[in-house]
Amino acid sequence: ELKVEQNPLFLSMQEGKNYTIYCNYSTTSDRLYWYRQDPGKSLESLFVLLSNGAVKQEGRLMASLDTKARLSTLHITAAVHDLSATYFCAVDRRGYSTLTFGKGTMLLVSP
Amino acid sequence: DTEVTQTPKHLVMGMTNKKSLKCEQHMGHRAMYWYKQKAKKPPELMFVYSYEKLSINESVPSRFSPECPNSSLLNLHLHALQPEDSALYLCASSQAGDGLNTEAFFGQGTRLTVV
Repeated sequence: ELKVEQNPLFLSMQEGKNYTIYCNYSTTSDRLYWYRQDPGKSLESLFVLLSNGAVKQEGRLMASLDTKARLSTLHITAAVHDLSATYFCAVDRRGYSTLTFGKGTMLLVSP
Repeated sequence: DTEVTQTPKHLVMGMTNKKSLKCEQHMGHRAMYWYKQKAKKPPELMFVYSYEKLSINESVPSRFSPECPNSSLLNLHLHALQPEDSALYLCASSQAGDGLNTEAFFGQGTRLTVV
């Protein structure tokens, strides 16, 4: 059974600081996704990581994938309040988009 | 058009009611999904349709009945639900098959409350 573990589950940080969210998964997979969810809203796709060593950046967020370590990271640079949300990583376990999600990291960025 | 449209956005139903959730996409995707998300929890896969055929049922109770009438539409029929079924129901679609381009696009969800 595929398990996806995220940490931390809650992150309170000040604006301007850097931090990293970690996502570990238990079985081989070459497809990992990061999503953002605002309260009461649906999932917004942030990054699709499809191969070992993949690195993608969008604004203050950068995601990477190490399939050998079964680890993905989401790095936040110089956080701003608008980044406050819950971030999920998800692993595609059987092809298609049969996703198993981590528990999510609730990020709160304060001045 | 990269949109997945779900209706209704909100639904309140009694435990004896029958209702349906609807999902539509026009991206030419041949795989469609229902996920359930309870408050402060991650989404959980319920059903997968591939080429209009049910390919995955994650042991979902029979009071949830999916239907895929054509390649653009996905329904979830609800009957005799329990209050614990209250959740955000998310529809998604993607390319089918094992190719790399199987990113899921999610709809805005239906917030269901069972009273």
